[in-house]
This record gives sequence, structure tokens and C-alpha cells, in this order.
Amino acid sequence: GNSVTQMEGPVTLSEEAFLTINCTYTATGYPSLFWYVQYPGEGLQLLLKATKADDKGSNKGFEATYRKETTSFHLEKGSVQVSDSAVYFCALLNRDDKIIFGKGTRLHILP
Amino acid sequence: GAGVSQSPSNKVTEKGKDVELRCDPISGHTALYWYRQSLGQGLEFLIYFQGNSAPDKSGLPSDRFSAERTGGSVSTLTIQRTQQEDSAVYLCASSLGMDQPQHFGDGTRLSIL
Repeated sequence: GNSVTQMEGPVTLSEEAFLTINCTYTATGYPSLFWYVQYPGEGLQLLLKATKADDKGSNKGFEATYRKETTSFHLEKGSVQVSDSAVYFCALLNRDDKIIFGKGTRLHILP
Repeated sequence: GAGVSQSPSNKVTEKGKDVELRCDPISGHTALYWYRQSLGQGLEFLIYFQGNSAPDKSGLPSDRFSAERTGGSVSTLTIQRTQQEDSAVYLCASSLGMDQPQHFGDGTRLSIL
């Protein structure tokens, strides 16, 4: 079946460090891929998405590239800020229009 | 199991009818969230509860939508006078607290004819 696996947290980094949060998926066909972010005290928000292989989603300095050959959609940011502290969810939208989430990765950025 | 449970899993109804969607969160989770996923789209955040209180209802699409939570547990999302654009998957999630990761139910697929 379809599934999403992302690295377990918490991830703790210093401000201005490079961030990678790994995400891999299993799916039939060609799903759309998403990263969602949950800031403290809020619901999920869409951070970025990619709908086909080799697409790169980007927003707020975050990037992720849809890699079909490695079935991955790793989230990266070159220089993190304290305000990036949140929980990040990788997700896929399969051909049955069902969205499947990873378990979430908590990110702590230290000043 | 001990996950978030939503019912019904599928609901087909005629335009103009009222529908009620139910969410049973994980026991002990104080925060509960409702989302909507329209065809081919990502998630749209609707409302959250901290305990029985919903501090911000501005995410609800219209005044036909309402939600309540009782006893800090079960929540219902009610849509009155349904319209075709209400057709979507409605997802519920719960978490130990507002700063904790959310656990999602399987959703209710709502189809308005």
C-alpha cells in the first residue's frame, strides 16, 4: 500500500545551520507530494508541493525535489531561523485522492 | 486500535441535506483539528479545539459549517444545507497538545449529489 516514512525527531539545530528532513514514500502510480508545517498553537499549513517527477517545490527558503528514482522528497533549507521551529509533515496524495501523512518531525532551532 | 476514528467513512447525500461527521480522538489528546481536502488539492484547515473550546472559527468556509466538542473527547462537524462544493474528504486529527505532532484519522469522504 501507500505509505510515507520520514525521519524521526526531534531535530535540534543552531540558527543558520543547514537543514535536511528526509522523506521517502511508497505508492502506486505517480502521487503528488507535499510538505506541511505545524507551528506551535496552529493547525497544519501547506509549505510546498510537487506534482510530478523532478519538480522542485519551494517556499520560505525551503525546497524539496520529487525524486522518482529514489522515491524521496527530502526537505532542505540552507539557513534555518528560530521561527522555523515547528513540526514538519511529509505527505502524498495518491490516485484515489487520499492523502497519507508521515508521522511528523519536530524541529527545534536554537538561537 | 487506539488511533483517531472517524465516521462515517463515506457519506453520499443530496444537495440541501444536513450532514454530521464524527471524530473520536486518541484518548487523552486535548487538541483536535478538522481539515478538508477537496479533489486533487492539499489540506484546508477548518478549525481546532483545545479541550472543548474553539478559539478561532474563521477557517470554517461558511456559516453553514459548525463544529462542537463535548467532554474533551468526541467532536462533530456539521454541514447544513449541503452544496456540491462541500464534496471533499474531511479529516480529523488529534494531538496531546497544540505543540505536539498530530495523528490523523482516515477521513470521511463526503459526496453531495
